[in-house]
Amino acid sequence: EPEVTQTPSHQVTQMGQEVILRCVPISNHLYFYWYRQILGQKVEFLVSFYNNEISEKSEIFDDQFSVERPDGSNFTLKIRSTKLEDSAMYFCASSEAVRTSGTDTQYFGPGTRLTVL
Amino acid sequence: AQSVTQLDSHVSVSEGTPVLLRCNYSSSYSPSLFWYVQHPNKGLQLLLKYTSAATLVKGINGFEAEFKKSETSFHLTKPSAHMSDAAEYFCVVSVRGGATNKLIFGTGTLLAVQP
Repeated sequence: EPEVTQTPSHQVTQMGQEVILRCVPISNHLYFYWYRQILGQKVEFLVSFYNNEISEKSEIFDDQFSVERPDGSNFTLKIRSTKLEDSAMYFCASSEAVRTSGTDTQYFGPGTRLTVL
Repeated sequence: AQSVTQLDSHVSVSEGTPVLLRCNYSSSYSPSLFWYVQHPNKGLQLLLKYTSAATLVKGINGFEAEFKKSETSFHLTKPSAHMSDAAEYFCVVSVRGGATNKLIFGTGTLLAVQP
């Protein structure tokens, strides 16, 4: 069964460093998402991406964050200058289609645990 | 604004007994609701989704949920718990934004299954 993959599974970085989290969505999916889960808190939406542009972003997704689909298979999240509070589990998700009813299913990857020291 | 509230942060059941995880939603229109499960150190897996075709929704691993508009609830149930059901469960509502739908997660319910 096709699945979303994410690399690395765990990333440790120093505060102020740039990190790139990578995701390979399911191959025929057109819609891509990043969510994050700070330890002990709920999963939060960061950004959605379609047709090579951001569709929607949350207040969390400030100028330090960017997303890109550099080729036909990868979808990346870049954090330019990491802060301690960026430490979290980051999940990538993809969906085949978007329905106005909202019933399209988003499939999640296993996550990347980012630790900022 | 659309939101979901999970009424219990922790639920503990004995193996073989029924499971009930409670979720209430708030929505100004007919919502799209989901339950996801997260096993330790694993990603988020879809259990089931409400598509408005039927109020009783069956999912994987024997789970089901009933959409009750009058109670604004979407509780998750399973007749008989198994040790492998121990995990965190998230009630989720989908919200349309631009060309995409974003998911709003509840705070999660940690299910413990005792032998």
